[in-house]
Formats: sequence, structure tokens, C-alpha cells
Amino acid sequence: AQSVTQLDSQVPVFEEAPVELRCNYSSSVSVYLFWYVQYPNQGLQLLLKYLSGSTLVKGINGFEAEFNKSQTSFHLRKPSVHISDTAEYFCAVTLLNSGGSNYKLTFGKGTLLTVNP
Amino acid sequence: GAGVSQSPSNKVTEKGKDVELRCDPISGHTALYWYRQSLGQGLEFLIYFQGNSAPDKSGLPSDRFSAERTGGSVSTLTIQRTQQEDSAVYLCASSAGTGGTQYFGPGTRLLVL
Repeated sequence: AQSVTQLDSQVPVFEEAPVELRCNYSSSVSVYLFWYVQYPNQGLQLLLKYLSGSTLVKGINGFEAEFNKSQTSFHLRKPSVHISDTAEYFCAVTLLNSGGSNYKLTFGKGTLLTVNP
Repeated sequence: GAGVSQSPSNKVTEKGKDVELRCDPISGHTALYWYRQSLGQGLEFLIYFQGNSAPDKSGLPSDRFSAERTGGSVSTLTIQRTQQEDSAVYLCASSAGTGGTQYFGPGTRLLVL
């Protein structure tokens, strides 16, 4: 079974600083990878996804992530954060196979990003 | 529709009562998912519907939980004889097909007293 580890439960940063939110996964088969963001009292919004192709994926709001197969990582980065980026961020995977199970999202525990002025 | 909608947005109930949570997926999306988000367990998959196929119920935590999807569109998640540990945010998502990107609704926040 696949699993997702988000190493940092909370990441405080100052406005305009760069940030990296870490995500590692384990799976015996290939996966699709996702980052979702959840603003307070809202549902999950897709930030970006990696399905295949270029390992550097660009998403909304200036975020990007890089898929590293050898390190089984999919870290999320932003060069300069804003107060409005304060939210919880979830890394998720789904299996890439033909066995019919490539739909269940397995989520990490989430990382709360707090951007301070 | 513009996105996935869920109702009610908040539900407070007494232990032992039954509750129904509703999800309206994005128009044309054939796949529908329910997840639960709780403090202790994070985000967990509950159930998946795809077209007319038998649903995958493997994530339902007990037989008090059930779900149905009528006409391939709206879905209802029912929790019978609610317990305090059922308190959580229940999220619905839909996708254009199996393996497609899942788009989430705002969730229903359930509190069992």
C-alpha cells in the first residue's frame, strides 16, 4: 500500500521569504502526485499535479513542485510567499496501474503554512 | 455546475441519531468520492462511485456508514446511530473519470454531541 509523509506539520515564514514544504511517498508501483491547499473553513483546492513528463511542475499562485523518483519526493516550493498563502497544504498520491485502483487519493497529514508580516 | 456542492455545510446532531449528507458533483463528472477529514486520522478515503459500476466501499469505517448515488449524479452519505467519533468534516469530490483529477466540495462539518 502507498503512504505519504509530510515531514513538517507546521512551517512559519515571513512574508516575501521562500518556502519549501516537503513530501515523501512510498509505493511499490508508479504514482500520480498532487498538492492540494485548504484555506480555513474551505474545501481542498488543487495546486498542481504530476502525471508524467517534465519533473518540474508549475501550479497556481506561483507554486511549483519537483518530482524526484530516486528520492521518492515531491516537494512544494514558492520563491516569495504572501500573507494570503497562509493555509494547510496536503500532498497526495494515487497509484498508476491497470488494476482499477488508480483513483483513491492517499493524503499526507498536512503542513500548516503560516506567513507572518 | 460551477463546482462540487455539499449540504448542509454544518450539522450538529445528538449521539444515536441518523444523519444524511448530500453531494452534488460537477456536471458531467462520472466519478464521485467521499473522504473524511478528522483531527486524529487526517484525510481518509471512504467510498467511490464510477458510473453504473459497483461502488468501492472499502474505506467505510463501519456498517453504520452507507452511501448511494442516484441517477449517476447526486450522492448521499448516511451515518446511522451516530457516535462522537464520527465528528469530522466530510468531503465529496468528483472527477471526469477514473483516475482523473479530483475536485473537492467545501465539505460538511459534522459534530456529534
